[in-house]
Amino acid sequence: NAGVTQTPKFRILKIGQSMTLQCAQDMNHNYMYWYRQDPGMGLKLIYYSVGAGITDKGEVPNGYNVSRSTTEDFPLRLELAAPSQTSVYFCASRLGGLAGWSYNEQFFGPGTRLTVL
Amino acid sequence: DQQVKQNSPSLSVQEGRISILNCDYTNSMFDYFLWYKKYPAEGPTFLISISSIKDKNEDGRFTVFLNKSAKHLSLHIVPSQPGDSAVYFCAAFDGGATNKLIFGTGTLLAVQP
Repeated sequence: NAGVTQTPKFRILKIGQSMTLQCAQDMNHNYMYWYRQDPGMGLKLIYYSVGAGITDKGEVPNGYNVSRSTTEDFPLRLELAAPSQTSVYFCASRLGGLAGWSYNEQFFGPGTRLTVL
Repeated sequence: DQQVKQNSPSLSVQEGRISILNCDYTNSMFDYFLWYKKYPAEGPTFLISISSIKDKNEDGRFTVFLNKSAKHLSLHIVPSQPGDSAVYFCAAFDGGATNKLIFGTGTLLAVQP
């Protein structure tokens, strides 16, 4: 059971380049999330998904796109990289459900550190 | 508008003493609160949580207190150990339609040997 995995760990992009950050979980969780963490700031939600085929915007979605074709995978796409997207990106997953506080714990991946120059 | 606030960016404590990390929130509809711990170059990991129907939850050296009238919660670590040095995030769960965690900005705890 690997939990939540993210690739790559590090990446440097030039302005205007595109890339996809990969995220996978093997816990059969329904909910998946993408966050970014800027220095001295908390975690800001970019996009989230409540199940395969369903995605929705978070607080800071501009410049990003997501898809959720399977329960396991939730890739984040940057189409035209900008210096403002330099950040650490975390993917997370949660079982979800209608009842039970034990469902509320989110498990995070190790993060992807992205620099846009 | 920051719905979950951690007003202390950093805290330094001597080993063996108590560490108290504070968190304030603005939305009275939040019904569940969590603390996450984050080491450098790692993702956040769940530490302890509390439901809004309780005012205290304990897990070993970690205790979380919730004061709903003041919209305030705190994390107590007793005794503090050097391995506790990390960034601690407070998070509130909006269990309504959004099903999302709202995170504070974090507090960097340094436990001095």
